[in-house]
This record gives sequence, structure tokens and C-alpha cells, in this order.
Amino acid sequence: GAGVSQSPRYKVAKRGQDVALRCDPISGHVSLFWYQQALGQGPEFLTYFQNEAQLDKSGLPSDRFFAERPEGSVSTLKIQRTQQEDSAVYLCASSPDRVTGQPQHFGDGTRLSIL
Amino acid sequence: KQEVTQIPAALSVPEGENLVLNCSFTDSAIYNLQWFRQDPGKGLTSLLLIQSSQREQTSGRLNASLDKSSGRSTLYIAASQPGDSATYLCAVRGGRYGNKLVFGAGTILRVKS
Repeated sequence: GAGVSQSPRYKVAKRGQDVALRCDPISGHVSLFWYQQALGQGPEFLTYFQNEAQLDKSGLPSDRFFAERPEGSVSTLKIQRTQQEDSAVYLCASSPDRVTGQPQHFGDGTRLSIL
Repeated sequence: KQEVTQIPAALSVPEGENLVLNCSFTDSAIYNLQWFRQDPGKGLTSLLLIQSSQREQTSGRLNASLDKSSGRSTLYIAASQPGDSATYLCAVRGGRYGNKLVFGAGTILRVKS
């Protein structure tokens, strides 16, 4: 299993709870991206890391969303005080290229359902 | 703001038919355009990547073209098979938008046996 690994695969939470989604990128990949994919839509960019530095967080929809990659490998996307509109698939992608960020290798995603 | 549109939203064809999926984008200042395949419950698999200086790319039964000036790309699938059934997404990466990919909503393809 040398691909991008995401956990959990499925997460159900009650509105108002906090959740944490994990991404294990391919070993050695410096670039890491998070995307949000609503049902029937294409993925939308959330945030981008180069090693441990968060270089772009312009896609995070609110201050309830927070992402980190403290050691430049594993990344965690945290959503506080979840709301129903946060229900979506969250995709993580990694890339070995620090300049272009391509090619991006995607994980299978975490499907988040907020009740 | 870059917007990417895919037509049709869904397509159902009999096995063996040739088909074309369309993608349009509003900002022509892109570095490249990429076509992905997504199977249910799975992540994205890259099919073809066309650099802005290229006109087309081919891989097996797949051919993708790019007309940057008109903001259009097509994905041609020859001799479709039931295993081609999936959602096809196009995405652009552009200078003003850095390294992030901007995706269309996808075309859901069903190939009937």
C-alpha cells in the first residue's frame, strides 16, 4: 500500500460535534492538498501544504475548519462545531513536486455525514 | 474566478459506441488541463494531462484535446466498454490560482452491455 491513505473512511457525527480527518500521504511527497466534494459536484480546493508550511488556505469555508501538518508528513483536517452543510467527501492528495504540485495522487476520501 | 463546466452531466450509451465529453473553462491563463476518472466511493485516477502548449494527448482508447484560446477541452473515448462506466472530471491548473486544481462537476457515464 504505497498510495495516499485516509481515515476514517466513513464518519457520522451529530451537529455541533468536532471531527478530525487524517491523511497519510505517499512517503516523501512534499505537497499535500485537501479538497471537499459535495454530492454530485467536483472536488473544491480547501488548503495546500508544502512540507509543514500551509501555503494556501483560501478555500477553507469558515474559521471552523483547521488543517495542520506539523512534521511535514501526516495531515489532519479538523472541523469544529459541525453543521449539516459540512456533509461531504473530504479528499486528500499528495505530490512529489514542490513547484507544480503535480501529479496529484488522491486518496479514497472520508465520507462525513452530519446528522 | 475560474469556472469549469462539463457537458453533458450524464450520458448513457450502448457498448461499442464512440463518445465525447466536453469541458469548458473561463480563464484561458491555465498551465494545464487534466482529465480524471472517479469510481463510486473512490478517489480520483488521472487519465490524461495536457500542458497549455499542447493540443492533445492520447492513451489507449482515450484522446483528449485542448483549445486554450476558446477555453475548451474534449475527452474522446473510442469503442466504449462497460468498464468505462464512471464519473469523468476535468480540472485546470492556472497561473493565478497557483497549484490547486479547479474541477468541473463531472459527467456520469454509463456504458450498457
